[in-house]
Amino acid sequence: EVQLLESGGGLVQPGGSLRLSCAASGFTFDSYAMSWVRQTPGTGLEWISAVSSGGSSTYHADSVQGRFTISRDNSKNTLYLQMNSLRAEDTAIYYCARGSWGWGGSFFAYWGQGALVTVSS
Amino acid sequence: EVVMTQSPATLSVSPGERATLSCRASQSVGSNLGWYQQKPGQAPRLLIYGASTRATGIPARFSGSGSGTEFTLTISSLQSEDFAVYYCQQYNNWPPLTFGGGTKVEIK
Repeated sequence: EVQLLESGGGLVQPGGSLRLSCAASGFTFDSYAMSWVRQTPGTGLEWISAVSSGGSSTYHADSVQGRFTISRDNSKNTLYLQMNSLRAEDTAIYYCARGSWGWGGSFFAYWGQGALVTVSS
Repeated sequence: EVVMTQSPATLSVSPGERATLSCRASQSVGSNLGWYQQKPGQAPRLLIYGASTRATGIPARFSGSGSGTEFTLTISSLQSEDFAVYYCQQYNNWPPLTFGGGTKVEIK
């Protein structure tokens, strides 16, 4: 059974940093691209970052470019999102999601349960 | 960026009735379109990919159609567990991957 388990969410002050982790199991982790998708409470879904299966290629949405960094450790079957210079508008539930192949545009058949990040003073 | 527009924002339907949800892309996305269902407090669940292929375990009452810029999700006979928010997502032109704003299907 495919499982994705996020951790690392919490309350952080504006300008602060936080690192999310997503532990994957039940599939060959290094065969699939991975993404982070966020959802502001009460609103829709926003894709923010993707990393290729091997970790060499990444993309970030303009809204987080230069502040967030996606990475992965295939030896630990874990996906990360380093979030710096956090703003109030980054407050959201952050989901990790498995892509459908090693790289490229993808739909998401598997999602984690989400990690809540709250940016507030 | 491909903008995905869903309509209506809210759809009121009685159990057992048919629901038809629309998704429009600002430019062609071919058949690279997915549909998701989301219930309160839960992660999205993939229903359809490739515009018309049901994901594993999805009941046959869910069907998708369309290509290019116009797509439809149809729920043939609404069950109580189908009342939720539905999102479309294009994965043809990226980055970024983009989602529609959602359609809430509520009980009439």
